[in-house]
This record gives sequence, structure tokens and C-alpha cells, in this order.
Amino acid sequence: DVKVTQSSRYLVKRTGEKVFLECVQDMDHENMFWYRQDPGLGLRLIYFSYDVKMKEKGDIPEGYSVSREKKERFSLILESASTNQTSMYLCASSFTFARWDNYEQYFGPGTRLTVT
Amino acid sequence: GENVEQHPSTLSVQEGDSAVIKCTYSDSASNYFPWYKQELGKRPQLIIDIRSNVGEKKDQRIAVTLNKTAKHFSLHITETQPEDSAVYFCAASRGNFGNEKLTFGTGTRLTIIP
Repeated sequence: DVKVTQSSRYLVKRTGEKVFLECVQDMDHENMFWYRQDPGLGLRLIYFSYDVKMKEKGDIPEGYSVSREKKERFSLILESASTNQTSMYLCASSFTFARWDNYEQYFGPGTRLTVT
Repeated sequence: GENVEQHPSTLSVQEGDSAVIKCTYSDSASNYFPWYKQELGKRPQLIIDIRSNVGEKKDQRIAVTLNKTAKHFSLHITETQPEDSAVYFCAASRGNFGNEKLTFGTGTRLTIIP
């Protein structure tokens, strides 16, 4: 059974703080993704990584950075949190080469971040 | 980059009736189109997907159709049940592999009325 876990379900931070969100997967997936989910805007890709130490910008990378030092772990960093970064953050992972044509992205439970 | 539009944003149907959700995409190179279902308070999960070399795919009460020429694809749910109530997201990708990024639509909140 695929498990993608995120470090916190709820997080409250102050404006200007540095925030770390961590994601861990146990399926040996090559790819990991960070999305933010906002009502009416769907899932928007912030960054993704297709290998250790590799990263690619998604559609909304401004104000965020990422780190992938180990295959199973992908961190999202908000260098200086702002109120417009209040959102639900979802991590996901997937294989590069599908098993049985399955390219599913497996999502974590999400972290609801509030910046005050 | 790719742009995916999804309609309607909300949909209510009587239990037992059919529901249809439609998406259009802009990148003619996109060739992989998954649908994810997110129940209240839960994580999104893949329910069905289709590749551009196939026009239709079915899995029990769920089907997806693809019109490459018009660049749109649709999710069809027949004989709807209360457990079908959820938010549904369509997505598109150029991916021949799982390391290509998905662009998601804005979601459709489906409510099944008992």
C-alpha cells in the first residue's frame, strides 16, 4: 500500500517566518511534486523533482524553494511566509516508468497552512 | 504552457441519474488525461485515465471520452450513488512517462441528491 506522509496536518505561522513542509514516500518513487490547492483554482504545481537533488519549477514557484537530498523525502520551503501563501499544500509522488501502465500520482493528506 | 478548463464548477444530480463533466485543453502535444476524485477531507485519488490513441475508456460506471481534434475530454458517471459526491479534477500532460507535469482543471463539485 502506497504511503505518502506529510509532516503536519495543520500549521500556523507568522508573516516573515521561514516555513518547512516535509513529504515522505515509501514506494521508491522517482518523482515527487508539491501543489497548492485553493478553492476555485484547483491544484497548482509549485515545484517537482524527478531525481535526488534535481528540481523543476512548476506553474507558481515564486516565494517557494525545494530540497530533495534523499529519494524518499521532498521538502517545500517558504523563505519568508506571507498571508497570500495561506493554503492547503499537497505533496504527491509517482514512478517515471509505469508499472502496468499506471502513472498515478499518489497524494499525501495535505498540510493546511495559515499565515497570520 | 498547457491550460485546462473544466466545467461546470458545481453539479447536482439525482441519485441514479448520470453526470457529465467536461474539460478542454490547449496544448495539442498533450497525450495523457487522468481524472482524480477528492472526497471531503481526503486526498485526491486517480479514478480513470486515457491516452490520446484511445477515444473512450470505461471502468464499471465511469467512462472517459476524448476528442483530440476538438481538444476536449469528458468524464461520464452513470447510475450515480451517494458515494460519488466529491470534487473531480481533470488533468492533462504531455507525459509518456510519470515525470512529466500534470496541469489540473479547477475542479467540479458533484453532489448526488438522494
